[in-house]
Amino acid sequence: QLVLTQSPSASASLGASVKVTCTLSSGHSSYVIAWHQQQPEKGPRYLMKINSDGSHIRGDGIPDRFSGSISGAERYLTISSLQSEDEADYYCQTWGTGFHGVFGGGTKLTVL
Amino acid sequence: EVQLVESGGGLVQPGGSLRLSCAASGFTFSNYAMSWVRQAPGEGLEWVSTISGSGGGTFYADSVRGHFTISRDNSKNTLYLEMNSLRAEDTAVYYCATITAAGIFDYWGQGTLVTVSS
Repeated sequence: QLVLTQSPSASASLGASVKVTCTLSSGHSSYVIAWHQQQPEKGPRYLMKINSDGSHIRGDGIPDRFSGSISGAERYLTISSLQSEDEADYYCQTWGTGFHGVFGGGTKLTVL
Repeated sequence: EVQLVESGGGLVQPGGSLRLSCAASGFTFSNYAMSWVRQAPGEGLEWVSTISGSGGGTFYADSVRGHFTISRDNSKNTLYLEMNSLRAEDTAVYYCATITAAGIFDYWGQGTLVTVSS
């Protein structure tokens, strides 16, 4: 079964960097995933797609402070030079071969 | 600029029905598959349904199959979600989103709130 696992929370200081992790379930380590940001009381916003080779493509208007990478079944979202507006929930997402969307449980990022 | 604007949410009694709409602009609507994603209060995102660009292919989460119907009118650039036999657990903000061929949701609307309660 295709499952995306995220840590519930993360924190980092203003101006620092943080890495948010999403783990693909066994047998699914080659899947393409996306990262989405949801600021408080707002709808989600697409950040980027991460391919199985580790390359990533940011969405429209997404600053290069946001980057993606992979290691095995893990997919990472790295945010550098943290700003207060980066405090948000971050969701990873993929698409199953049985034609269904899958989301991770979300990571709540606190900027200290 | 891509814009997706949902409407049609509101308060409905258990067992009732509601139809959500999503008006799209800024892209060639018929070229893109579209999806509905929901978020229950205090919870994460849940994929609900997807429809192909032509409308000929539809896909549903197990939790809504049989009581939700997705459709689209490409002449009106509008996506719909017909929701029947609504239950308390269907209470959520419903978002429409474009979906790429790789299955990535790349543009989102602002959402419309559906509350199922007596």
